[in-house]
Amino acid sequence: DAGVTQSPTHLIKTRGQQVTLRCSPKSGHDTVSWYQQALGQGPQFIFQYYEEEERQRGNFPDRFSGHQFPNYSSELNVNALLLGDSALYLCASSLWPPKGETQYFGPGTRLLVL
Amino acid sequence: RKEVEQDPGPFNVPEGATVAFNCTYSNSASQSFFWYRQDCRKEPKLLMSVYSSGNEDGRFTAQLNRASQYISLLIRDSKLSDSATYLCVVNADSWGKLQFGAGTQVVVTP
Repeated sequence: DAGVTQSPTHLIKTRGQQVTLRCSPKSGHDTVSWYQQALGQGPQFIFQYYEEEERQRGNFPDRFSGHQFPNYSSELNVNALLLGDSALYLCASSLWPPKGETQYFGPGTRLLVL
Repeated sequence: RKEVEQDPGPFNVPEGATVAFNCTYSNSASQSFFWYRQDCRKEPKLLMSVYSSGNEDGRFTAQLNRASQYISLLIRDSKLSDSATYLCVVNADSWGKLQFGAGTQVVVTP
């Protein structure tokens, strides 16, 4: 049973560029949430997708956008990259609450913005 | 004030000893609570959910005090493999928007 997968594992970009990160949820899960984890901090909630719609959003600017596909996989897009966007980006999958609240995390994509 | 606060540590623990640490949360309406473990440069992994009556999973015991809005984790008979950062996690509205503390680092020494 495949767990949550993310690609790429590492990425280096320069300021002003755009990036797309990808996530495939655990088999049987229908909900994907994205988190940003800066060095030395806990993960911060970016947004959550279910049935191809954004259901909840954290305190992140519109430069952060996402998408969910019919097969439940998801993308996170960040436009106009800033140095402060350097972080580990984590994808978590679950069943749509309240059917399931436990979230399982993928290995993350480590983004460095120069 | 942060929504979930933890002592960052590190807690240096001799192998075989017991270590305990807490976290506090600000939203009294929070619905569910978890401890996740995160190894260096890895993803968080669920250690255990925390129930109102307290719960135990092997050497790990979690407690919830809703009145004082804190959650605790106790590790008995510490192993070298318990060295990690322990993240306190709160699900404020039961709809999946998890709020994380910054983590408590535990270092178990031989």
